[in-house]
Amino acid sequence: AQSVAQPEDQVNVAEGNPLTVKCTYSVSGNPYLFWYVQYPNRGLQFLLKYITGDNLVKGSYGFEAEFNKSQTSFHLKKPSALVSDSALYFCAVRVQYNFNKFYFGSGTKLNVKP
Amino acid sequence: DADVTQTPRNRITKTGKRIMLECSQTKGHDRMYWYRQDPGLGLRLIYYSFDVKDINKGEISDGYSVSRQAQAKFSLSLESAIPNQTALYFCATSVGAGETQYFGPGTRLLVL
Repeated sequence: AQSVAQPEDQVNVAEGNPLTVKCTYSVSGNPYLFWYVQYPNRGLQFLLKYITGDNLVKGSYGFEAEFNKSQTSFHLKKPSALVSDSALYFCAVRVQYNFNKFYFGSGTKLNVKP
Repeated sequence: DADVTQTPRNRITKTGKRIMLECSQTKGHDRMYWYRQDPGLGLRLIYYSFDVKDINKGEISDGYSVSRQAQAKFSLSLESAIPNQTALYFCATSVGAGETQYFGPGTRLLVL
């Protein structure tokens, strides 16, 4: 079965410190990996994606993510967190042979404290 | 103006009532999707449509139906609402397979 796991319900970090939001996946075939962010009372907004190529992907608002095939992970990172980064983050995967399905993780709430 | 809009934004209804949630998009995308979001469960796919004549069930389609009235419009109906359909519902669009999805602002539904 295809699945995406976000092992942390919540991540707390101080402003200015680096942040990591973890994501691991289990799929058959090559994964297309995505990160989305959700602010309160808003829909999900696209941050970045990995399809192929360089394992380090850069996205919006200074975020980046590293695809690690051997560890089946796609962790989201940012070198210096901002209070405005506080939101709910979702990892998602689509499987190459089955584009119909888009699997989402359960979400990680990021709290950045001043 | 938002590219993907949903109406209503909030809805309270009673068990057994029929309700419709509407989604419109100005992005010109062929593919449209309906998801529901529950705390701790992420988003789960209810239905998706690749074009006006193509409708497909997602992982949790029981109790729901959809209508793709035009390329730009995709409606979700609850024929007889029940309390465990209380959730946040999102519409999304994409230009093609494997492509980024663009989400509407969501409809918060409470079934009493």
